[in-house]
Amino acid sequence: QSVLTQPPSESGTPGQRVTISCSGSSSSVGSYDVYWYQQLPGTAPKLLIYRNNQRPSGVPDRFSGSKSGASASLDISGLRSEDEADYYCAAWDHSLSARVFGGGTKLTVL
Amino acid sequence: EVQLVESGGGLVQPGGSLRLSCATSGFIFSDHYIDWVRQAPGKGLEWVGRSRNKTKSYTTDYAASVKGRFTISRDASKNSLYLQMNSLKSEDTAVYYCARPMSDGWGQGTLVTVSS
Repeated sequence: QSVLTQPPSESGTPGQRVTISCSGSSSSVGSYDVYWYQQLPGTAPKLLIYRNNQRPSGVPDRFSGSKSGASASLDISGLRSEDEADYYCAAWDHSLSARVFGGGTKLTVL
Repeated sequence: EVQLVESGGGLVQPGGSLRLSCATSGFIFSDHYIDWVRQAPGKGLEWVGRSRNKTKSYTTDYAASVKGRFTISRDASKNSLYLQMNSLKSEDTAVYYCARPMSDGWGQGTLVTVSS
């Protein structure tokens, strides 16, 4: 069982907006920056969002992140077929002295 | 271009040892934290451990599941990070990635299989 809680799956149709949630605790998400990663099938993860809401260069502005208290979310607008992937949130947890990941959310584009 | 390239994976018997390497380029090695992250077949990402940057004296932290068995080290002269894995168990079977946790940059991964 993962320290950060994500829904196992989400789905949407092309053009829709999808939100993936990430719930932690005061010792993790509530205290530290959240990072989001996208993992396309058969490939290594790729950084999608850093420091809660910052996009690395090259990441489309269709992807946005936010954080409130001990929860964070990843919004994907204008859903496209190439967004079909696994998405993970991550943060440091000072009570564990460890980085923790969410269990991952499999996004299906219908 | 930021690059991280893992090597050293393979098949090892339970109780055995293996040393993974992560060769880096395209960034100032001493300035960055670098993590080891693993992914068991069909499973999610699991953080294994961290080597902090020079400012933080290259201190390390480990996941509870590997503490006492795995050791992370650096060779600044080679811009490389290492993961020494001892007393390997079947549940350590996974693809192992090295990654910069706070900025972009993941390796392609190296597969470690622990089986008799």
